[in-house]
Amino acid sequence: DGGITQSPKYLFRKEGQNVTLSCEQNLNHDAMYWYRQDPGQGLRLIYYSQIVNDFQKGDIAEGYSVSREKKESFPLTVTSAQKNPTAFYLCATQKGRTNTGELFFGEGSRLTVL
Amino acid sequence: QQQVKQSPQSLIVQKGGISIINCAYENTAFDYFPWYQQFPGKGPALLIAIRPDVSEKKEGRFTISFNKSAKQFSLHIMDSQPGDSATYFCAASSMGQAGTALIFGKGTTLSVSS
Repeated sequence: DGGITQSPKYLFRKEGQNVTLSCEQNLNHDAMYWYRQDPGQGLRLIYYSQIVNDFQKGDIAEGYSVSREKKESFPLTVTSAQKNPTAFYLCATQKGRTNTGELFFGEGSRLTVL
Repeated sequence: QQQVKQSPQSLIVQKGGISIINCAYENTAFDYFPWYQQFPGKGPALLIAIRPDVSEKKEGRFTISFNKSAKQFSLHIMDSQPGDSATYFCAASSMGQAGTALIFGKGTTLSVSS
């Protein structure tokens, strides 16, 4: 089955630790995105990548880093520099490199900082 | 700067009633307006979308109304059912452009009481 797999589904982290969230897709989609969801804040764009080895900052990139070494994978690292990392993180893909409209989302990873 | 404003934040509707969620946008370059539906613990999924060349689009019980001059669009859910209880996000983007991504509203939590 084609789809987007995010892991882990739940993650707990101590303050000061970096953590990496995985996003893997087998849809053969070109573009991949990371959004952060907080209650009452909607979905805010962290980073996106439209092609391998290239990515752009979104609206809230500070404290996050990404890589796109393979078309199928777009991991997100939440660094200790992110002041409020507790959130629900969503990975999404889009079929083309340019904006074709529809995003396909994974089931998310919930990060809690203790 | 919030480019897509969504209201209300929450909505309670009786079973069989009409649910109405409104969105307004600022950027006149936007030409694609989707609505996403999200159930608890899941990623959002595309529900229905409209381009500005039409004023209304209907799919089953879901209708988007679009007012280009007012820069507003709304989602109407007819004969609302308990299974429609979810969070709904409006969004906007410019189709076909590289380096752009969907901009989401803050979401509306809909509860349909039986």
